[in-house]
Amino acid sequence: AQTVTQSQPEMSVQEAETVTLSCTYDTSENNYYLFWYKQPPSRQMILVIRQEAYKQQNATENRFSVNFQKAAKSFSLKISDSQLGDTAMYFCAFMILNYGGATNKLIFGTGTLLAVQP
Amino acid sequence: SQTIHQWPATLVQPVGSPLSLECTVEGTSNPNLYWYRQAAGRGLQLLFYSVGIGQISSEVPQNLSASRPQDRQFILSSKKLLLSDSGFYLCAWRGGMAGLTGELFFGEGSRLTVL
Repeated sequence: AQTVTQSQPEMSVQEAETVTLSCTYDTSENNYYLFWYKQPPSRQMILVIRQEAYKQQNATENRFSVNFQKAAKSFSLKISDSQLGDTAMYFCAFMILNYGGATNKLIFGTGTLLAVQP
Repeated sequence: SQTIHQWPATLVQPVGSPLSLECTVEGTSNPNLYWYRQAAGRGLQLLFYSVGIGQISSEVPQNLSASRPQDRQFILSSKKLLLSDSGFYLCAWRGGMAGLTGELFFGEGSRLTVL
């Protein structure tokens, strides 16, 4: 069975600093997608960044970047120049890719609550 | 553009009462639809998903059920609520080009409190 583990229930960072959120996963599959979703206090889930397992290059989206270590099954999220609006729950998620497209199940970790301090 | 709506946003129900949460998607056809539950302080648990009208897959045995009477409508129901059904319920969809990449788009959520 596929599992996603986020070992940091809560983290805090000062505004303008950099923070890294950890995520590990377990699967025997070789092709899959990894995601980081953000859930601010409004509770709306928002996609932050996506990584395809077959790509060696780490994905980046503005201030957000990932460190994808496939052999170690690690997928951490780095937030640079943290802003107050980054305060949210962050979820790591995983979906297996089969021939013809992604399968139906997006499996989530338990989340990391990030607080950006002024 | 595609949008997803779910309602009601907030619901307080007594134990043993029925439940109906509704989700609709606009701007796309034949989406995959999902119901997730988020208990307080915990992650998201996949409850049901549907790949087409009348096709429901259940992930967790429970007293909840789901139905998809129309292509872009997904309903979560219960005949008799339990205290443990309290939580934040999220509807999501996947389809089109995003269907190739696995990305899910989420609704605003429905907070259910069972007393």
